[in-house]
Amino acid sequence: EAGVVQSPRYKIIEKKQPVAFWCNPISGHNTLYWYRQNLGQGPELLIRYENEEAVDDSQLPKDRFSAERLKGVDSTLKIQPAELGDSAVYLCASSREEVTEAFFGQGTRLTVV
Amino acid sequence: GEDVEQSLFLSVREGDSSVINCTYTDSSSTYLYWYKQEPGAGLQLLTYIFSNMDMKQDQRLTVLLNKKDKHLSLRIADTQTGDSAIYFCAESMETGGFKTIFGAGTRLFVKA
Repeated sequence: EAGVVQSPRYKIIEKKQPVAFWCNPISGHNTLYWYRQNLGQGPELLIRYENEEAVDDSQLPKDRFSAERLKGVDSTLKIQPAELGDSAVYLCASSREEVTEAFFGQGTRLTVV
Repeated sequence: GEDVEQSLFLSVREGDSSVINCTYTDSSSTYLYWYKQEPGAGLQLLTYIFSNMDMKQDQRLTVLLNKKDKHLSLRIADTQTGDSAIYFCAESMETGGFKTIFGAGTRLFVKA
């Protein structure tokens, strides 16, 4: 069984530029999460999907961040425009249901210069 | 409020036991987790415990839960150099749709 796949692994952009991250969850997993992990800290939830519905986006900075999960499978997370403080690792995770084990991808390390 | 606290560093010798501690604040937590993160990798779930349990053992891992003190610990027996990583404690509570809160992580150094 393939794990959670994220791309790209690394991204360096200049501030004010847009950036997008892509996540392919494990097949059959209805719940998908996007987390942000700042250096030396634990992951913080940005958004959680149940199938194609965003059920918890309370921590998503909606002025510049957006996410979508069309057809309830793959998901993209976008930042536009990026700020220096957005530099972090963006982790995607998926689980069969919201209360079961979440499997994490390797993450996308974003550096905004 | 929601908060999970861990000590930042732990150093042990190979073969010794490691004990990583965590405190949490929300008494309504339903699940408590331990994740492992190696450099450049995502988080790997090591084990979890339901809030109605006191202990769970899985091979070299032992989780102890003290609900009264809201204290969770992870003991790794016979610690190996491959256990060097960051260990995250996390709590998940039913209120708010099982939102999971992570601690800042404990960096475990294993000396050969």
